[in-house]
Amino acid sequence: DIVMTQSPTSMSISVGDRVTMNCKASQNVGSNVDWYQQKTGQSPKLLIYKASNRYTGVPDRFTGSGSGTDFTFTISNMQAEDLAVYYCLQSNSYWTFGGGTKLEL
Amino acid sequence: EVQLQESGPGLVKPSQSLSLTCSVTGYSITSNYWGWIRKFPGNKMEWMGFVSYSGSTSYNPSLKSRISITRDTSKNQFFLQLNSVTTEDTATYYCARSYYSSYEDYYVMDAWGQGASVTVSS
Repeated sequence: DIVMTQSPTSMSISVGDRVTMNCKASQNVGSNVDWYQQKTGQSPKLLIYKASNRYTGVPDRFTGSGSGTDFTFTISNMQAEDLAVYYCLQSNSYWTFGGGTKLEL
Repeated sequence: EVQLQESGPGLVKPSQSLSLTCSVTGYSITSNYWGWIRKFPGNKMEWMGFVSYSGSTSYNPSLKSRISITRDTSKNQFFLQLNSVTTEDTATYYCARSYYSSYEDYYVMDAWGQGASVTVSS
């Protein structure tokens, strides 16, 4: 099984901050990593697919990068509406989620 | 616009079976892949499995002995059955579409239901 280790588990942030989180895969997953945002009481929303591709309608302050085993997700100019839990997901072999990063004020 | 909606009992007794329905509107389940994902208390997410456009299935190996995903194309619904549940199966269950982009040669879970909370308790 591929394990996705996501860090940090939580972050205290301020509006306007640059926010970076990481996922490390236990084995090579190529570029088969997506990033999701889940706000309280809502279902997950796809932001980034295939490591670095922004999904339709996603603001350009959200970016992803990486390949192989190391992946990074960045919010360049944090907005209050971005408060949520963010997950990475690998789809190279079955599907495995990271443990999530919770952004808090 | 595709929409998914989970339904089913919110309370299941230990050792019994958990059964959920995902009703899809705006898109045919005879295209792409249709899956179940759950979120445990404390944020952990787990992919459970999917049923394909052709009816074939794939399951998380950790659940393979307990899970079944089926479909009814006439009703545009697909179903989750999880057998022999324990309190550790308490979670919010989501159904989702895995959309295949031939241009990208890639699948993305791009549409999700709102989730169904299921508690396993006697």
